[in-house]
Amino acid sequence: EIVLTQSPGTLSLSPGERATLSCRASQSVDSIYLAWYQQRPGQAPRLLIYAASNRAPGIPDRFSGGDSGTDFTLTITRLEPEDFAVYYCQQYGSSPWTFGQGTKVEVK
Amino acid sequence: QVQLVESGGGVVQPGTSLRLSCAASGFTFSRFAMHWVRQAPGKGLEWVAVIWYDATNKYLADSVKGRFTISRDNSKNTLYLQTNSLRAEDTAVYYCARALFDSSGFDAFDLWGQGTLVTVSS
Repeated sequence: EIVLTQSPGTLSLSPGERATLSCRASQSVDSIYLAWYQQRPGQAPRLLIYAASNRAPGIPDRFSGGDSGTDFTLTITRLEPEDFAVYYCQQYGSSPWTFGQGTKVEVK
Repeated sequence: QVQLVESGGGVVQPGTSLRLSCAASGFTFSRFAMHWVRQAPGKGLEWVAVIWYDATNKYLADSVKGRFTISRDNSKNTLYLQTNSLRAEDTAVYYCARALFDSSGFDAFDLWGQGTLVTVSS
């Protein structure tokens, strides 16, 4: 099983600031099989990024994804009020499909 | 309107069963692999099961293998999760989700339902 470890657990930032979230895999993950999701309180997750760096339809360009081997990043260039939420990375290249434990982006 | 709507959750006693349903609309259901994902109260996301577009392949998480079964009826545009021998640790919101592009399950999840809550308690 591929374990995904996200850091930090919580990120305290102000609107307008830049957020950088990390996701490290316990073994190699082909970047085409890495996604990022956003989950707001009381809502279902929403796909933000697939194949490590491709934005899903309708996702603003302030969201971007990157990778370097087993480390993946989600960057939000300027936080909007609606961006304060929990973010999960996921690998979908092998069974079992796995999610990271989540990073909460909260208002400082 | 493209959507997934789950139903069938409820409060049940340990050892009992529930069948969860996920009704799809607004897209060609039979072309897409489908997943179940659950989220225990206050916890993260846990993948549960996947079924290929034509049901030729199915995978289950180890935590539910032997107790849960995933199936689909493409003529009814509906995905199912039969949950047997329920335990307290199965308490969660259960989401169904669609694979983004692929008829296989090896894809991101681009469409999610609103979830149905299963509570296992004596």
